[in-house]
Amino acid sequence: AQSVAQPEDQVNVAEGNPLTVKCTYSVSGNPYLFWYVQYPNRGLQFLLKYITGDNLVKGSYGFEAEFNKSQTSFHLKKPSALVSDSALYFCAVRDVSTGGFKTIFGAGTRLFVKA
Amino acid sequence: SQTIHQWPATLVQPVGSPLSLECTVEGTSNPNLYWYRQAAGRGLQLLFYSVGIGQISSEVPQNLSASRPQDRQFILSSKKLLLSDSGFYLCAWSPPPPLHNEQFFGPGTRLTVL
Repeated sequence: AQSVAQPEDQVNVAEGNPLTVKCTYSVSGNPYLFWYVQYPNRGLQFLLKYITGDNLVKGSYGFEAEFNKSQTSFHLKKPSALVSDSALYFCAVRDVSTGGFKTIFGAGTRLFVKA
Repeated sequence: SQTIHQWPATLVQPVGSPLSLECTVEGTSNPNLYWYRQAAGRGLQLLFYSVGIGQISSEVPQNLSASRPQDRQFILSSKKLLLSDSGFYLCAWSPPPPLHNEQFFGPGTRLTVL
């Protein structure tokens, strides 16, 4: 079965420092991996995705994610955090076992960036 | 460009009352449509998804139902609300396959059942 795990409920980082939000996955076949961000009382916004090719994927707002097949991970990163990056982040995987219509989301990681 | 609308933005309803939440998408054709519920500001629970008019797949048996009367319209309903139906309801759409298409979410409806 396809699954995705976000081992940290919360990540705290100081403004200007690098940030990492962790995600591991379990899929059968090729993984299609996504990161989304949610600001308070808003819908989710797409940040980036991995389909194939280069293991380092660049996305919106300066975020990037590194796909590691051997470790089955897809960690979200940013070289220098901003206070405005504080939000809830979701890792997700497309559930290809059911025809690809469903997306499985992790439980979410809350990022706090302190000024 | 494509846009997704949800209404109402907030709703307070008494237990036992009916519910109708509407979602519409503009600027695309034949989208896949989804209803999610988010409780306590955390994980997303997929409630229903639809790949075409009149085609509804239910993920979790519960007090809710969904309908897709038009290509770009998705409605979430209940005949009698329960306290446990409170939450943040999100509608989303994605283009038809290929499988690597991301989802686009609406602004959400905050439902409080009293």
